[in-house]
Amino acid sequence: AQSVTQLGSHVSVSEGALVLLRCNYSSSVPPYLFWYVQYPNQGLQLLLKYTSAATLVKGINGFEAEFKKSETSFHLTKPSAHMSDAAEYFCAVTTGFQKLVFGTGTRLLVSP
Amino acid sequence: DTAVSQTPKYLVTQMGNDKSIKCEQNLGHDTMYWYKQDSKKFLKIMFSYNNKELIINETVPNRFSPKSPDKAHLNLHINSLELGDSAVYFCASSQAASVVGEQFFGPGTRLTVL
Repeated sequence: AQSVTQLGSHVSVSEGALVLLRCNYSSSVPPYLFWYVQYPNQGLQLLLKYTSAATLVKGINGFEAEFKKSETSFHLTKPSAHMSDAAEYFCAVTTGFQKLVFGTGTRLLVSP
Repeated sequence: DTAVSQTPKYLVTQMGNDKSIKCEQNLGHDTMYWYKQDSKKFLKIMFSYNNKELIINETVPNRFSPKSPDKAHLNLHINSLELGDSAVYFCASSQAASVVGEQFFGPGTRLTVL
């Protein structure tokens, strides 16, 4: 079975600082990986996805993630945090038929 | 123009009641899903339909019954509601089950069972 582990249920950064949200995956077959963002009282929105093309994936709102097979990681980064980035972030992996398996989420807090 | 819509947004009910949540997508997608998000924000898939046919059915109590009258709609009916059913339920859709792509989520329905 495939799974993802998100390290850190909360991450706090200052506005303008680097954002790094960690995700490690477990999969017996080449995975497809996703990062979703959930703003308060809203549904999930796709930030970016890895589908076995380029290992460095760029997404919306200045986010990017790098697929590292040797480290089984797919960490999400943004060079400079903005107050509007404060949200819950979910890493997810597919197990086929688009069945998404989500991590437990990381809440990003951005202080002025 | 809401891509994936759900009704109601909030649902408060007593234990033992039966309730339904409706979902509609106007994206022309073939596949629709129901997810449950618990109080700790953990998201888990419940069901998936592709062209009105059930393709994913996780270990969900049979009190939960999805129904897809057409590929644009996927409703969730819950019988004999229990306290543990309190959660946020999200509907989602995607182009096709066989294609790895983005799932579009609705705004969620917050169900509170008293």
